[in-house]
Amino acid sequence: AQSVTQPDIHITVSEGASLELRCNYSYGATPYLFWYVQSPGQGLQLLLKYFSGDTLVQGIKGFEAEFKRSQSSFNLRKPSVHWSDAAEYFCAVGALAGTASKLTFGTGTRLQVTL
Amino acid sequence: DVKVTQSSRYLVKRTGEKVFLECVQDMDHENMFWYRQDPGLGLRLIYFSYDVKMKEKGDIPEGYSVSREKKERFSLILESASTNQTSMYLCASSSSGTGLDEQYFGPGTRLTVT
Repeated sequence: AQSVTQPDIHITVSEGASLELRCNYSYGATPYLFWYVQSPGQGLQLLLKYFSGDTLVQGIKGFEAEFKRSQSSFNLRKPSVHWSDAAEYFCAVGALAGTASKLTFGTGTRLQVTL
Repeated sequence: DVKVTQSSRYLVKRTGEKVFLECVQDMDHENMFWYRQDPGLGLRLIYFSYDVKMKEKGDIPEGYSVSREKKERFSLILESASTNQTSMYLCASSSSGTGLDEQYFGPGTRLTVT
């Protein structure tokens, strides 16, 4: 069975600083990987996804993630954080269950941005 | 834009009550999902459905059931609510294009069972 680990429960960065959120996965085959963001009081929104091909994936809002098979990692990065990026971030790994994509989520990393 | 709506943002129910949480999507998606979200535990899949009248158990189905009579609507049912079912419930939908299309989420229902 697949699993996802997000080792950082809470991270605080200053506005304008760079950001890296860690994600490690466990999956027997080629993983399908996702990063979602949840702003306060909102549902989850997809930031980016990796299925195959280029291991550096660009997403919305200036985020990117790099897939590293040797490290079983899919870390999320942003070069310069904005105050509006304060939210909870979830990494997920997907697997086919029939015709549906079944996602297993990590426990999330809450990002706080200081001005 | 895909829209997933949930019938209530906040709900307060008594222990033992039967509770219905409704979810509707407007993009003709085949797949629909119910998750619960708890602090420190992330999102956990309760049930999902890949077609009308079809359902599959997720990781934590105990105490829940679901109904999908129409393609656009997926209901989560708590037959006899208990305090340990106090949580945020999120509905999601996806198409079956590649089998791994992104899931689109509703805003969530925060359920409190007293």
